Amino acid sequence: GAGVSQTPSNKVTEKGKYVELRCDPISGHTALYWYRQSLGQGPEFLIYFQGTGAADDSGLPNDRFFAVRPEGSVSTLKIQRTERGDSAVYLCASSSTSYRDRDAGELFFGEGSRLTVL
Amino acid sequence: GQNIDQPTEMTATEGAIVQINCTYQTSGFNGLFWYQQHAGEAPTFLSYNVLDGLEEKGRFSSFLSRSKGYSYLLLKELQMKDSASYLCAVPEPYNTDKLIFGTGTRLQVFP
Repeated sequence: GAGVSQTPSNKVTEKGKYVELRCDPISGHTALYWYRQSLGQGPEFLIYFQGTGAADDSGLPNDRFFAVRPEGSVSTLKIQRTERGDSAVYLCASSSTSYRDRDAGELFFGEGSRLTVL
Repeated sequence: GQNIDQPTEMTATEGAIVQINCTYQTSGFNGLFWYQQHAGEAPTFLSYNVLDGLEEKGRFSSFLSRSKGYSYLLLKELQMKDSASYLCAVPEPYNTDKLIFGTGTRLQVFP
């Protein structure tokens, strides 16, 4: 597709369960970002990939969160032993280059995956 | 690190002009972004300023003053569809591929 695709769009799970959220970036975009957004807040940075490697995972809240991008395209955010506080919209974004390039450094966001932990 | 501050909510009337302010504190400035986010939708890019001054793009303009740590987004000829959250964001110092967002300003446009 033309844009960033995220699945599932909605996920309801029980506390303690394992969850996987998938992101399919715009074709050819080497940079991929995961953000988390709670109601009434701005997106909170989680992790950033450049190609297959995680260039910066400093935003992951704890070791229950993990993300992979094995072939440099699709990425999966994995959350183990989910907690009620993990409930949020998880946004994925991709970019063709870094912010150092003014004209092409903008992020293209997907619609997000809304996670609800009961 | 950096600190980004913007008003939580604003209201305006259709056809009017509104200015949404953003102040930031950062140990290393690398430009400032504005994004628009309609309720339940993805944020979309509006503007990027790295030099001081006003940049106009149709009904939307963005201003930056690096010495004051201040930016604003100016929306002219407001339309109902402009009701959305407006997010101010700056790259983290020395790690410019990591964009840090403010909490956003929720704008409601009334007829």
